[in-house]
Amino acid sequence: AQSVTQPDIHITVSEGASLELRCNYSYGATPYLFWYVQSPGQGLQLLLKYFSGDTLVQGIKGFEAEFKRSQSSFNLRKPSVHWSDAAEYFCAVGAGGGRGSTLGRLYFGRGTQLTVWP
Amino acid sequence: NAGVTQTPKFQVLKTGQSMTLQCAQDMNHNSMYWYRQDPGMGLRLIYYSASEGTTDKGEVPNGYNVSRLNKREFSLRLESAAPSQTSVYFCASSSDRGLSRAFFGQGTRLTVV
Repeated sequence: AQSVTQPDIHITVSEGASLELRCNYSYGATPYLFWYVQSPGQGLQLLLKYFSGDTLVQGIKGFEAEFKRSQSSFNLRKPSVHWSDAAEYFCAVGAGGGRGSTLGRLYFGRGTQLTVWP
Repeated sequence: NAGVTQTPKFQVLKTGQSMTLQCAQDMNHNSMYWYRQDPGMGLRLIYYSASEGTTDKGEVPNGYNVSRLNKREFSLRLESAAPSQTSVYFCASSSDRGLSRAFFGQGTRLTVV
């Protein structure tokens, strides 16, 4: 069965510190992996995605993520956190496919709430 | 470039009332989705529509119905609202090819009292 696990419900870091948010997935086929960010009262914004190729992907706002197939992980990182990064972060897994398939059906983790201390 | 538009943004219902959440996208996407978001649960798929004229159940379809009115619009209906349906509802759309990106609406915050 498809599932996404984000082990950390809440993480607190100081501004300027490095950040790593963990994501593990279970998926029966080659996964497409995503990280989304949600600010309070807002919808979801795509940070980055992995489909194939280079396992280290760069996203917006200085985030990057590394796909490790052997560990079924797709951890999100940022070298230096800014106060504006405080938000909730969601990892998701999905699949591509042809017309009429469950294309675009995403399975989400439960989210990691990031607090940034000044 | 509106993307995915949801209405209303906020709604309070009494138990047993009905309502329809509207969603429209202007990106010519074939696939549209309804998710609900609850604290500590992430997003869970209610229903999806892979193409115009088709709809399928997701993880948590009970208590909901959907209509894919045309390619642009995908509505979610609560026939008899229950407090357990208090949640934030998100509509999303994506293109057929490879899920290059799923676009989400801003959400509808629904409270059932």
